[in-house]
Amino acid sequence: DTVMTQSPASMSTSVGERVTVNCKASQSVGTVVAWFQQKPGQSPKRLIYLATNRHTGVPDRFTGSGFGRDFTLTISNVEAEDLAVYYCLQYDSIPWTFGGGTKLELK
Amino acid sequence: EVQLVESGGGLVQPGRSMKLSCAASGFTFNNYDMAWVCQAPKKGLEWVATISYDGSSTYYRDSVKGRFTISRDNAKSTLYLQMDSLRSEDTATYYCARENTYYGYDWGQGVMVTVSS
Repeated sequence: DTVMTQSPASMSTSVGERVTVNCKASQSVGTVVAWFQQKPGQSPKRLIYLATNRHTGVPDRFTGSGFGRDFTLTISNVEAEDLAVYYCLQYDSIPWTFGGGTKLELK
Repeated sequence: EVQLVESGGGLVQPGRSMKLSCAASGFTFNNYDMAWVCQAPKKGLEWVATISYDGSSTYYRDSVKGRFTISRDNAKSTLYLQMDSLRSEDTATYYCARENTYYGYDWGQGVMVTVSS
């Protein structure tokens, strides 16, 4: 199975700052990586697919990058509504596997 | 619009069984592989099982092999998860998910399963 190692597990930020979340795959997955946002009591919401593509309606402050084994989600100009847990997912090989999640909190 | 609506969760005693259902609409169900993904309280997302679009192939995470069975009824656009010999560590929210090879997962709203005596 492809292990997705996500870091950091949690981070504190202020409104208006820029944050980055990283995922490292145990083997190359090309660009077949998605990013999801999950708020308490809700199911995950799609943000990014195929590593760099923003889903319809996702604000352009969310940017995905990476190829092969290393992937990054960048949130520019963080807004209060962005406080959530973020997960990466590789869907290149069965079983599809998630990173452990990154909790974004306010300082 | 893709809609996935889970049902069948609740409280169950260890060692007993429970069957989850997921009613799908808004897309051609028999064109897609489907999956169950779980999330234990305050924990991350974990893939549980996948079934191919025609039901001919199934895949399971190691911890549920031999205890859980994923199945589907394409005529009813419904996905199932039969969970036997339940353990306390199976306590989680279970999400029905459509596997989209372009976008990743499309998600249901989830159903809570609590295994406790």
